[in-house]
Amino acid sequence: SYELTQPPSVSVSPGQTASITCSGDKLGDKYACWYQQKPGQSPVLVIYHDTKRPSGIPERFSGSNSGNTATLTISGTQAMDEADYYCQAWDSSTYVFGTGTKVTVL
Amino acid sequence: EVQLVESGGGLVQPGGSLRLSCTASGFTFSSYWMSWVRQAPGKGLEWVANIKEDGSEKNYVDSVKGRFTISRDNAKNSLFLQLNSLRAEDTAVYYCAKEGPDEEPIDYWGQGTLVTVSS
Repeated sequence: SYELTQPPSVSVSPGQTASITCSGDKLGDKYACWYQQKPGQSPVLVIYHDTKRPSGIPERFSGSNSGNTATLTISGTQAMDEADYYCQAWDSSTYVFGTGTKVTVL
Repeated sequence: EVQLVESGGGLVQPGGSLRLSCTASGFTFSSYWMSWVRQAPGKGLEWVANIKEDGSEKNYVDSVKGRFTISRDNAKNSLFLQLNSLRAEDTAVYYCAKEGPDEEPIDYWGQGTLVTVSS
């Protein structure tokens, strides 16, 4: 079965840039999306179709996808961005989620 | 405003059954694929199943095939998940989720309902 691997944790200082990677075989040939989940809350879509931001998502969130790696970038990270982030792709008629990354804003 | 409200969770013994429901509002329910996604306590997200707008196509993750059944009632704006032969590893919060148009991914989630499988 298809697997998506993320680093367990990423730390970033306020105002700096956080980059979260998502690795999967030929992931660049599929669409990747990203979800943010804060403690006790449901996930929120922050990036879809590799680079698109849903309405209401701040411009500091951006995405890319090439080769075997998709990347979520948070520019000018704020304390409110502290959360778990999950990548997702569609493969063989199933959705696959990444292993998840906890972003800590120090 | 899109709203998805799940119900039906609870405590069930191993081998038992449960039926989850999700009531949708704020969008044309019959025009979208719908999914169930689960999250075990302290763990990551796992997609469980989805169903086409008219119910004619269904997909499942391997771990639930033959045990879980997804269905929908478009007249009642409702999505269902029948859980049979439950195992301890099925313990999780189950989220009802709306998929986006034109092969876009899940764009709205409910608040979830907790299923606990334990003796």
